Amino acid sequence: KNEVEQSPQNLTAQEGEFITINCSYSVGISALHWLQQHPGGGIVSLFMLSSGKKKHGRLIATINIQEKHSSLHITASHPRDSAVYICAVSSLGGATNKLIFGTGTLLAVQP
Amino acid sequence: EAQVTQNPRYLITVTGKKLTVTCSQNMNHEYMSWYRQDPGLGLRQIYYSMNVEVTDKGDVPEGYKVSRKEKRNFPLILESPSPNQTSLYFCASSLWAGTLSGANVLTFGAGSRLTVL
Repeated sequence: KNEVEQSPQNLTAQEGEFITINCSYSVGISALHWLQQHPGGGIVSLFMLSSGKKKHGRLIATINIQEKHSSLHITASHPRDSAVYICAVSSLGGATNKLIFGTGTLLAVQP
Repeated sequence: EAQVTQNPRYLITVTGKKLTVTCSQNMNHEYMSWYRQDPGLGLRQIYYSMNVEVTDKGDVPEGYKVSRKEKRNFPLILESPSPNQTSLYFCASSLWAGTLSGANVLTFGAGSRLTVL
């Protein structure tokens, strides 16, 4: 079992829909990152959070440390949101910046 | 412009021919790291550095070397490349290693696609 699991693996939505991508992890963490990767493109960091909730534009990220779970929400989705969304955790212990990645969620938003 | 610069962006080489992928950041970041991305396996960490002269292994360090002699540069060295090192490589940096500061967000380079024949 992977230490970081994302669901769903693939997601197709219609423009305007509210989207949720989930990330569960099984290790102790110091922080959780949400990343975005467009097809053929580079990787952009969307959020880094260790508790609570963060919002940036139409994107909202939440984390529940007790349940070891995080969600990324996209409100009023748009075709330009189509990308792979990757969850990564910074593990606790001697290597607080050793990152463990989920395998990503491929999102396609259709007009 | 604040950025992480990787070179080369694309490289085709042959087995055993030493190569170096350079990574440079202009943000005075302490933390730098290398990742490889493979289909079906996602991103995996190769090496990371918490500061100058401080490096540590990630999950897949075999066949790679790194050095951090200056704060801005973190080259990835493949001493004797093999076909299983064919991959997409990313370098990333962040401001402050080991804290929970909101500023400690990763900035990624554009990626280097390496093919070893």
